[in-house]
Amino acid sequence: DSGVTQTPKHLITATGQRVTLRCSPRSGDLSVYWYQQSLDQGLQFLIQYYNGEERAKGNILERFSAQQFPDLHSELNLSSLELGDSALYFCASSIRGDQPQHFGDGTRLSIL
Amino acid sequence: DQQVKQNSPSLSVQEGRISILNCDYTNSMFDYFLWYKKYPAEGPTFLISISSIKDKNEDGRFTVFLNKSAKHLSLHIVPSQPGDSAVYFCAANVNNAGNMLTFGGGTRLMVKP
Repeated sequence: DSGVTQTPKHLITATGQRVTLRCSPRSGDLSVYWYQQSLDQGLQFLIQYYNGEERAKGNILERFSAQQFPDLHSELNLSSLELGDSALYFCASSIRGDQPQHFGDGTRLSIL
Repeated sequence: DQQVKQNSPSLSVQEGRISILNCDYTNSMFDYFLWYKKYPAEGPTFLISISSIKDKNEDGRFTVFLNKSAKHLSLHIVPSQPGDSAVYFCAANVNNAGNMLTFGGGTRLMVKP
């Protein structure tokens, strides 16, 4: 158990819809990271937050947004969903940026 | 442009023997490297890391070697156990530059009893 909690585990929805994925980091970790794992792209970095502020951005679509709240949990919002958004979405956390990231078990998003 | 590559999609090893997983990178700015293990339906689990100022780091049965001139790292598992069967990812980042990890495509290790 990594200590990183992601909910829900599975999400099935339709094209055009909006969903919110939630992540609770390990106790004491200030940095939260979001990654997407699709079949053809592998694990891709989306975005990082540190203590409530956006720190780094990867290839995150404009339809996607995230935030980190004062209690350090984070949410990833995906809107106007397309079939290609079907993937595993992982959250990771670390104490600092130069320390290993610890991953949750992911949310599997299926778009029908 | 794949900056981190694991050229072997799969590897099969006999229990008790050495497993060697390889990883190549192209970005010379990478200065921190990690290996993760992933079981089905679980997230990646951190195994071991190495800073670019070192060429070797050891933790129990796991050793990571870094060859900066060749832009190559490898993970050695000795002795291999059936419970080591999983997908292994190498990852790299540039410290103080957002700390986002760039992952390789993974190698599936099968350790046969």
